[in-house]
Amino acid sequence: DGGITQSPKYLFRKEGQNVTLSCEQNLNHDAMYWYRQDPGQGLRLIYYSQIVNDFQKGDIAEGYSVSREKKESFPLTVTSAQKNPTAFYLCASSMSPLAGAFFGQGTRLTVV
Amino acid sequence: GQQVMQIPQYQHVQEGEDFTTYCNSSTTLSNIQWYKQRPGGHPVFLIQLVKSGEVKKQKRLTFQFGEAKKNSSLHITATQTTDVGTYFCVLTTDSWGKLQFGAGTQVVVTP
Repeated sequence: DGGITQSPKYLFRKEGQNVTLSCEQNLNHDAMYWYRQDPGQGLRLIYYSQIVNDFQKGDIAEGYSVSREKKESFPLTVTSAQKNPTAFYLCASSMSPLAGAFFGQGTRLTVV
Repeated sequence: GQQVMQIPQYQHVQEGEDFTTYCNSSTTLSNIQWYKQRPGGHPVFLIQLVKSGEVKKQKRLTFQFGEAKKNSSLHITATQTTDVGTYFCVLTTDSWGKLQFGAGTQVVVTP
């Protein structure tokens, strides 16, 4: 089945540790995105990428890093520099900016 | 950069009633997309509007793009409990395809 997969669904980490969230898609989409959503809030863009080996900062990139070494994969690292990392993280992909984006199921990260 | 305001932020609707949510911008938009997110779920793409004055329908949902391309609306008729969720309008704000989400309208349906 074609789709976009995020793993794990739930993740717990201790404060001060870096953690990497996985995002894989087999839709052959060029564009990929990472968003953060806090309870009762909208989606805020962290990073986005249109092509392999290139990506752009979104509105809240501080404390996060990404890589795009393969078209299918766009992992997000939440570093210890991110002050409030506990949130729901959503990855998305799209064929082009003017096409609809497909979202993964999301990863709920809790830092204690 | 470009931003949109979605109103209302919350909408309580009696089952069977109609309602409309709006997305307004101070600048002209090239296009606008709408997504729905069910409670606990992920956003799902509903539709994209590109042309001035464009109207598209999906069953009980009617989407409209303003003549000046500065606003958009989503109208739902005969609301059902399956319509519960948050509806977002989304802009493409630069040539790199940055997708900018509005704050959303959270819809609660009372049986």
